[in-house]
Amino acid sequence: DVKVTQSSRYLVKRTGEKVFLECVQDMDHENMFWYRQDPGLGLRLIYFSYDVKMKEKGDIPEGYSVSREKKERFSLILESASTNQTSMYLCASRRGQTQNYGYTFGSGTRLTVV
Amino acid sequence: AQKVTQAQTEISVVEKEDVTLDCVYETRDTTYYLFWYKQPPSGELVFLIRRNSFDEQNEISGRYSWNFQKSTSSFNFTITASQVVDSAVYFCALRRGGATNKLIFGTGTLLAVQP
Repeated sequence: DVKVTQSSRYLVKRTGEKVFLECVQDMDHENMFWYRQDPGLGLRLIYFSYDVKMKEKGDIPEGYSVSREKKERFSLILESASTNQTSMYLCASRRGQTQNYGYTFGSGTRLTVV
Repeated sequence: AQKVTQAQTEISVVEKEDVTLDCVYETRDTTYYLFWYKQPPSGELVFLIRRNSFDEQNEISGRYSWNFQKSTSSFNFTITASQVVDSAVYFCALRRGGATNKLIFGTGTLLAVQP
């Protein structure tokens, strides 16, 4: 069964901490994504990567960075966590550029910054 | 600009009722793709359907059906004879054609099916 795995289901971090959210996929997908989900706002794209070491900003990249050193792993980094980054974070992956491939999502990481 | 609107924030029905979730989209592209995802309490988004802009045929899958109408820019989702297991947040999403990977989501509709 193909999978996108997010390392933590729940995280509590302090303001100012550097936070790493990890995502691993076992489908050899080229594309990986980080979304943030907030009530009333739906899912918003933070960053995505279409290849190893490649990244592109999404709609709300401020306060975040990403790392993709290996094809299967895509990390989201909060350089200095703030309370307004308390949210649910969802990782997704997708094969290639062919239009008919769908997206596979992980179960999410609920981050609380205190 | 691309946009997806799900005007229904929450819907509550009693089991066995039919329910329709609305989705209205905005795009100037001639080629685009529309999606519906289900998010149960476990958190993982589950893919339900993808429809491309050139295929306006409605689709039925068991108790689920989708009505795509380009004339009104709508892609509505109907659950027939709802069940408690259908309780979830449902998201409609839009993707442009071409080499873009970006999926634009609506704000979601929380469906609660009461026994």
